Parts: sequence; C-alpha cells; structure tokens
Amino acid sequence: DTGVSQNPRHKITKRGQNVTFRCDPISEHNRLYWYRQTLGQGPEFLTYFQNEAQLEKSRLLSDRFSAERPKGSFSTLEIQRTEQGDSAMYLCASSFPRGGQENEQFFGPGTRLTVL
Amino acid sequence: SQQGEEDPQALSIQEGENATMNCSYKTSINNLQWYRQNSGRGLVHLILIRSNEREKHSGRLRVTLDTSKKSSSLLITASRAADTASYFCATAAAGGYQKVTFGTGTKLQVIP
Repeated sequence: DTGVSQNPRHKITKRGQNVTFRCDPISEHNRLYWYRQTLGQGPEFLTYFQNEAQLEKSRLLSDRFSAERPKGSFSTLEIQRTEQGDSAMYLCASSFPRGGQENEQFFGPGTRLTVL
Repeated sequence: SQQGEEDPQALSIQEGENATMNCSYKTSINNLQWYRQNSGRGLVHLILIRSNEREKHSGRLRVTLDTSKKSSSLLITASRAADTASYFCATAAAGGYQKVTFGTGTKLQVIP
C-alpha cells in the first residue's frame, strides 16, 4: 500500500498524559500536513512541512503541541499534558506540488484521540 | 479558522437526482479543491479547479468557479447511494506557500 499511513488509528489516554502520533506520507511527496477535525467540522490546519522544514504553524498549535519531520520522510505529532479539548481526529496529508502550485492532498485514515 | 462556507449544510435527495453544493470563500485563491469524506473513512480528493478556470468536469462531477463572487459549486449528476458522504471545499491561498484551508462541509444523503 503506497498511500499515507497513520499510527495508531485510535488512542485513548487520561488527561495530563503525553501522546505521540506518527504519519508516513507517500514516499515521493515533499509536503506534509497535520490537521485536526472535530465532529461536524472540516479539517483545521495545524502545521505544514516542506521536506524537513516546518514552514507554518497554526495558532491552534499551542506550546503543548510539537511536530517533527526529522529526515523529511515520516512525521510525528506530540501532544503534551493532554486536555479533554484535545479529543479529535488528527489527520495527516501529503502532496507533491507541480508547476509551483499547491495540488491535491492525499490523506491518511487519521488517528482518533480520546482524552478521558 | 475555516475559509470556506458550504451551503447547504445538509442535503437529502433520491437516488438518480442531481445534487448541488455551493462554497463561498473570503480571500484570493490559486485553486479550489473538493474532497469527499465517507463515514469512518478518510478524505478523498475529487477535483481541483484553478483560479483561471471557470468550469471543470470529472465523470459525474461538474465544478464551477466564479472568482468575482468568490464562490464555487459542485454538481453531482445521477446520484447514487454510494455518493452519501460529507463534501468539503478547500482553497489554496494565492501567494506564499498556498496554504489549503477547508470549509465546513455539506452532508449529502442519497436515499436508494
């Protein structure tokens, strides 16, 4: 399977614990995105990487959130001291822009986080 | 924050009918994309229309873009029960790295 993969698919944690999610993009894609989606809403942008460089972070990404893409391949999203409001689906997507323009993003299945 | 607003929020039609969803956005764009999300599944890219295009077709899908009104529409013809899903428009902003921002979605139900 050469699509975007995310692990784990589900995570249940207690408030205050740290969690880490992993995203493996499509191998030739140099752009990688993290989004958060809550019920009934569209995905909200969290952060974006071009290769290993993190080029933009949303104001939604508080200092408890950190994302890395150390070798320009897979990425991790860590949430420290989780809060119940962090419960959501965390989506990863990747893309390969052509002609200098943003193009379609390929999404992974997401990691559903539940904070008790 | 969400850039696009889809209208209607929910739509229920009979199989075989056409479904039209609209998207309005606020800032200048390079392109606009439509995605589908089935219950329990990930987002799937449907079609992309660039700012210098006015209409695009893909199978049973027809997308229009009116940059003067900052709006787009997605038409699904001859709908099928399998088209039941949420549909989102997503805009790639002009300039910079063209961040993609998603709308709030239209929930389509196609009744067999």
